[in-house]
Amino acid sequence: NAGVTQTPKFQVLKTGQSMTLQCAQDMNHEYMSWYRQDPGMGLRLIHYSVGAGITDQGEVPNGYNVSRSTTEDFPLRLLSAAPSQTSVYFCASSYWDSPETQYFGPGTRLLVL
Amino acid sequence: RKEVEQDPGPFNVPEGATVAFNCTYSNSASQSFFWYRQDCRKEPKLLMSVYSSGNEDGRFTAQLNRASQYISLLIRDSKLSDSATYLCVVNMDMGRRALTFGSGTRLQVQP
Repeated sequence: NAGVTQTPKFQVLKTGQSMTLQCAQDMNHEYMSWYRQDPGMGLRLIHYSVGAGITDQGEVPNGYNVSRSTTEDFPLRLLSAAPSQTSVYFCASSYWDSPETQYFGPGTRLLVL
Repeated sequence: RKEVEQDPGPFNVPEGATVAFNCTYSNSASQSFFWYRQDCRKEPKLLMSVYSSGNEDGRFTAQLNRASQYISLLIRDSKLSDSATYLCVVNMDMGRRALTFGSGTRLQVQP
């Protein structure tokens, strides 16, 4: 049982490049979400999904796309990277009826130059 | 005004000390409250839930004051291993099942 896994651990991009952050969980959780963490601001919700085929926007969705084709995977796509997207990205998952017990992945540190 | 506000610290305390953190939240309709712990450069992990009646887990005590809209965390007999950032977390939107995080309070326990 690997829990929540994220790849890559670290990435450097140039402005305008696109990339996909991968997230997978093996706990059969319905709910998955993406957060970004910036100094002094706490984690902010980017997008979330309540099940395969269903996604919705969070607090800061601009510049990001998501899809949920399977229960296990929830990739986050940066369409055209900007320096403002330099951050640490965390993927999380939980059972639908236990949102407080969110399991977080180890994070992806992204630097956009 | 931030939805969930915390004193960023750092709180520097000696081993064995008692330390308390407070957190205020803006949405009076919030239903669920939690404390998460985050070690340096690691992912957040649930420390404990916060109930209206207060709850205790070993050396940790969490309390909720709905009238004043604040949550507290008390740590007794601090250990070096308690050094971390403590995140106050509120579920303000049960429909989204999304958590709103405070920016965290850093605790450094010194020998």
